[in-house]
Amino acid sequence: NAGVMQNPRHLVRRRGQEARLRCSPMKGHSHVYWYRQLPEEGLKFMVYLQKENIIDESGMPKERFSAEFPKEGPSILRIQQVVRGDSAAYFCASSIGTSGFDEQFFGPGTRLTVL
Amino acid sequence: AQTVTQSQPEMSVQEAETVTLSCTYDTSESDYYLFWYKQPPSRQMILVIRQEAYKQQNATENRFSVNFQKAAKSFSLKISDSQLGDAAMYFCAYRSAMGSGSRLTFGEGTQLTVNP
Repeated sequence: NAGVMQNPRHLVRRRGQEARLRCSPMKGHSHVYWYRQLPEEGLKFMVYLQKENIIDESGMPKERFSAEFPKEGPSILRIQQVVRGDSAAYFCASSIGTSGFDEQFFGPGTRLTVL
Repeated sequence: AQTVTQSQPEMSVQEAETVTLSCTYDTSESDYYLFWYKQPPSRQMILVIRQEAYKQQNATENRFSVNFQKAAKSFSLKISDSQLGDAAMYFCAYRSAMGSGSRLTFGEGTQLTVNP
């Protein structure tokens, strides 16, 4: 059973460009979470999605950031008009259920560098 | 909102010795879950151990154990017989038991160095 897949692993963008980060959850998992890790900091929650639904986006910046988890295909975190402050590692996690004890399995992360 | 605090940015331990990493949290909830994650240089987040708040018994996973003090809102991680492979950043995390699919709230992390 493959783990959570994220691609690309490294992404370089110039200021003003768009960044698209993809996450394929573990097989059988329908709950996806995105977290951001700024340099020298802990992970911060951004958004929680189920298939075709955004459940909690309270951690997502109001502008330039969006996320989706379509019926078919991976979850996408999209950052429009990137700025240097968006440089960070973005982690995706998935879980099989939503009970508090259901483990969130993490992907390897996408390191975004904005030049 | 819940907060998680790790007051030790860095810790070091000699191989085969024991080290304890500290974590405190703030919440008004009575039912929740606590976790320790390990992040090695590969940056992959790996679950080390978890604790249910309604269980008084401290969780143990091989060389890893926790000291959960609910009244003090403290959740420390003890690593016994430290190995070189234990060197990593360790994050304490909180998850509410209320609602569904609630997020993990992480501390700022403790960088653990294991000296041979």
